[in-house]
Amino acid sequence: DSGVTQTPKHLITATGQRVTLRCSPRSGDLSVYWYQQSLDQGLQFLIQYYNGEERAKGNILERFSAQQFPDLHSELNLSSLELGDSALYFCASSPGREQFFGPGTRLTVL
Amino acid sequence: DAKTTQPPSMDCAEGRAANLPCNHSTISGNEYVYWYRQIHSQGPQYIIHGLKNNETNEMASLIITEDRKSSTLILPHATLRDTAVYYCIVRASGAGSYQLTFGKGTKLSVIP
Repeated sequence: DSGVTQTPKHLITATGQRVTLRCSPRSGDLSVYWYQQSLDQGLQFLIQYYNGEERAKGNILERFSAQQFPDLHSELNLSSLELGDSALYFCASSPGREQFFGPGTRLTVL
Repeated sequence: DAKTTQPPSMDCAEGRAANLPCNHSTISGNEYVYWYRQIHSQGPQYIIHGLKNNETNEMASLIITEDRKSSTLILPHATLRDTAVYYCIVRASGAGSYQLTFGKGTKLSVIP
């Protein structure tokens, strides 16, 4: 158990819909990272927040957005969903160099 | 960040040491070597990292060559639970973001 929690574990939705994935970091970790893992693309970095501020952006689509709240939990919002957005979404929190990953949210878009 | 090369798969007998190689010949002076693993579809798990000295923790040892162009992750007594995909990642230590760039990794199969 890494100490990072993600909800929900599974999400099934239809194309065109919007969903929100939630991540609670380990106590005391200020950084939250979001990653997407799909069968064809592997694990890809999406975005990082540090203490409420966006710190870095990776291969994140414009349809996706994220935020980190004052209590340090983070949400990843995915809108206008497409079949290709079906993937595992992981968040990780970090006290510095090493990252601790949550169990992931499996998103299925039908 | 420097590119890494790992064998796509390896087998190891249970109870024996698993030695996972990683080539990072373009590594620069301020880049660390990190190892993570992913068991099935679970979240990746941090194992160890190092800059130039060998490192050891309760999970594994990391041996980095003197020229830093390659490294080896050693699991001293592999168990069936060590079956996973192991990722070697090289990343700069600059301030700001420590995002990870995952390659395809090495699928380690521990065989009874």
